[in-house]
Amino acid sequence: AQSVTQPDIHITVSEGASLELRCNYSYGATPYLFWYVQSPGQGLQLLLKYFSGDTLVQGIKGFEAEFKRSQSSFNLRKPSVHWSDAAEYFCAVDTGNQFYFGTGTSLTVIP
Amino acid sequence: DAGITQSPRHKVTETGTPVTLRCHQTENHRYMYWYRQDPGHGLRLIHYSYGVKDTDKGEVSDGYSVSRSKTEDFLLTLESATSSQTSVYFCAISEGGLAKNIQYFGAGTRLSVL
Repeated sequence: AQSVTQPDIHITVSEGASLELRCNYSYGATPYLFWYVQSPGQGLQLLLKYFSGDTLVQGIKGFEAEFKRSQSSFNLRKPSVHWSDAAEYFCAVDTGNQFYFGTGTSLTVIP
Repeated sequence: DAGITQSPRHKVTETGTPVTLRCHQTENHRYMYWYRQDPGHGLRLIHYSYGVKDTDKGEVSDGYSVSRSKTEDFLLTLESATSSQTSVYFCAISEGGLAKNIQYFGAGTRLSVL
């Protein structure tokens, strides 16, 4: 069965430190991949997406993600985290006929 | 929130009562979706619509019904609310269906069933 795994439920980083949030998917072919961010009390906002082509994609707010087919991964990165990045992050997979969300990773940023 | 309005934003109701949540969009997008968000589960699709009067079930559709009589409105109804339906409900829209179509989300409705 298709699935999306975000192995880290919660991550804490210091402001200015680098960040990597992990996402693995289980699907026979290459799906379409997304990262969304949810601030407290808000809906989900698209950070970036991967459909095809360059496996390193740039998104909003200084985020990037790299698709690695061999590892079935689509990890989200940011070189220097800001306090305003504290939020919940969701990886999502579109297989073409179903859309699956991961369970989310909650990010805390400490000064 | 991409021209998506969910109402109400918060609701408290009692077990066994009917509840209707509304999603209104101003984008004229064809597809609309209802998700529920629960800790440890991420977002799960309840129902979706691919046009006026055209709807289909999602992953967790039991206990829910939907209606779409106009392009801009998608209603989610809990015919007889249960405590297990306490959740945060999100509406989403997209121009097309799946396969490369980005979904845009509303701000959510927090529902508590006592």
